[in-house]
Amino acid sequence: RKEVEQDPGPFNVPEGATVAFNCTYSNSASQSFFWYRQDCRKEPKLLMSVYSSGNEDGRFTAQLNRASQYISLLIRDSKLSDSATYLCVVNPLGNTPLVFGKGTRLSVIA
Amino acid sequence: DGGITQSPKYLFRKEGQNVTLSCEQNLNHDAMYWYRQDPGQGLRLIYYSQIVNDFQKGDIAEGYSVSREKKESFPLTVTSAQKNPTAFYLCASSIGKGWSTEAFFGQGTRLTVV
Repeated sequence: RKEVEQDPGPFNVPEGATVAFNCTYSNSASQSFFWYRQDCRKEPKLLMSVYSSGNEDGRFTAQLNRASQYISLLIRDSKLSDSATYLCVVNPLGNTPLVFGKGTRLSVIA
Repeated sequence: DGGITQSPKYLFRKEGQNVTLSCEQNLNHDAMYWYRQDPGQGLRLIYYSQIVNDFQKGDIAEGYSVSREKKESFPLTVTSAQKNPTAFYLCASSIGKGWSTEAFFGQGTRLTVV
């Protein structure tokens, strides 16, 4: 089983739609989790951290399910500008490099 | 402004040549990383360093070398031993301490072998 797995997509959704991505991780001892956004030919940028209690930032909601070892990202009221690749990122242990999923591509269509 | 600077943005290399990619950060971060990204693929870890004068191999270290003589700098050399070096190279840094340490990226260097 790969360390971090994501559905590559693409997810093609109309403006205003709600879309959700899931990501599974293999190491049950993983300690921290993030969602990054990467635009075409650009560097990844931190979108949000994922806390055990879940967290929300405007139209974006991230959830963590430790029992099933997955994290999710929900985007409400999708905008054209949300079109990007979303990377699921896991920190397996406290002082080790982050492990990146291959990303899920989202295209929001007018 | 604090951040990570990679240079050059684009780099062309002839086969058989070594090239060095620069990465500098002024975030006072202890940890620095090099990733490689191929078209349509995820990020793969080349090397990382948690502290000055120390570094570890990542998943795809063969054909690459690094140094960490200063906290701010973590240059990557792509040697002629790297058989397929054309890729997008990303440098990142993180605080390096504690359990919740997100990474911040430079803008990347696109290397093309001609």
